[in-house]
Amino acid sequence: DAGVTQSPTHLIKTRGQQVTLRCSPKSGHDTVSWYQQALGQGPQFIFQYYEEEERQRGNFPDRFSGHQFPNYSSELNVNALLLGDSALYLCASSFSRKTGGVRLSEKLFFGSGTQLSVL
Amino acid sequence: DQQVKQNSPSLSVQEGRISILNCDYTNSMFDYFLWYKKYPAEGPTFLISISSIKDKNEDGRFTVFLNKSAKHLSLHIVPSQPGDSAVYFCAAGRISSGSARQLTFGSGTQLTVLP
Repeated sequence: DAGVTQSPTHLIKTRGQQVTLRCSPKSGHDTVSWYQQALGQGPQFIFQYYEEEERQRGNFPDRFSGHQFPNYSSELNVNALLLGDSALYLCASSFSRKTGGVRLSEKLFFGSGTQLSVL
Repeated sequence: DQQVKQNSPSLSVQEGRISILNCDYTNSMFDYFLWYKKYPAEGPTFLISISSIKDKNEDGRFTVFLNKSAKHLSLHIVPSQPGDSAVYFCAAGRISSGSARQLTFGSGTQLTVLP
């Protein structure tokens, strides 16, 4: 059973360029979250996708956008790259169950991440 | 504004002894807390969790304690093993918000277990 897979593993871009990172969730999972982990920091929540819609968003500018496909895989796009966007980008998947109309996600499974370097 | 803080960037413990990792939070709306472990070149892996209605949760060698009045939680590992050497992240979330878990992470503690 494949876990969460991310591609590419490493990426080098220059300032002003655009980048697309990809994530395939663990089998059976329907929710994908993206996190940014800067050096020496903990992961910081970017946004979450469920049923092909962005459901929650952290404190990130509109340069960060995403998409979820019908097969639950997801993409993270970052436009107009800045030096400060250099970080490890982690994708996490989970299964969202509904209890009494409230959608709860089971625990997150993380991929190994994409290391983005902006020069 | 760091809502989840891990004030010790590193901790060294002798094999067989207890490891205690600490975490403080400031947002009283958090009602669910987790610990993740991260090895180099791998993503974080879930270790143990606790909801705010409990003050202790145990899973094998790992026990998490929650002190809501102090807004403090700790992870105890007994006995510590060299394979436990990793970065440990404390995370918090709000199940009661009615949406899926958006976790807030601390900055991590590097645990080194010495043989």
